[in-house]
Amino acid sequence: SQKIEQNSEALNIQEGKTATLTCNYTNYSPAYLQWYRQDPGRGPVFLLLIRENEKEKRKERLKVTFDTTLKQSLFHITASQPADSATYLCALATYSSASKIIFGSGTRLSIRP
Amino acid sequence: KAGVTQTPRYLIKTRGQQVTLSCSPISGHRSVSWYQQTPGQGLQFLFEYFSETQRNKGNFPGRFSGRQFSNSRSEMNVSTLELGDSALYLCASSLGETSLGTSTDTQYFGPGTRLTVL
Repeated sequence: SQKIEQNSEALNIQEGKTATLTCNYTNYSPAYLQWYRQDPGRGPVFLLLIRENEKEKRKERLKVTFDTTLKQSLFHITASQPADSATYLCALATYSSASKIIFGSGTRLSIRP
Repeated sequence: KAGVTQTPRYLIKTRGQQVTLSCSPISGHRSVSWYQQTPGQGLQFLFEYFSETQRNKGNFPGRFSGRQFSNSRSEMNVSTLELGDSALYLCASSLGETSLGTSTDTQYFGPGTRLTVL
């Protein structure tokens, strides 16, 4: 069956450290993958998009990698801050499914001072 | 530029009733997608409209329907509400159709409508 999984439901790290979130997928032919941030009571906010033929993308303190062999994307936040605390969602866009964009269940990230 | 707006923000209905939710996309955006978000199932795709045509549909029963108007505004309707329909309904707009895999795919989400079915 087709699945998208984010490695953990919750992640707690110390301020200043690098947070690394994982998104794994099975049985999809990806077109691209996106990462979103969602704060409580609000809609997701787009952060980064990486295509199947790209290995890495960066935006300020954010970095995303995409390994189509491992079927995995890693999302890094360097020099993390308490304001980075939120739920992070990965979303896979595929041409092989009726539902073109499939979201993972999210990882709730908490950065402690 | 104003963001995506959704109305109403909160709604309480009883089983068997029907409900209509509204979404106004960012000006110039032609694609509107609808999602259902629940704690148990996460964010699930309902359907996408582009230029007034439904382009894609998720795995939801026929009780869930939608439409898009010529000004790109969209509505979704849920008939014969069930308790399990209680969720946050999110609308997202993008410049282009999301299935194209281009830079115009980036979706901008609204704040959602919190529907509670009693």
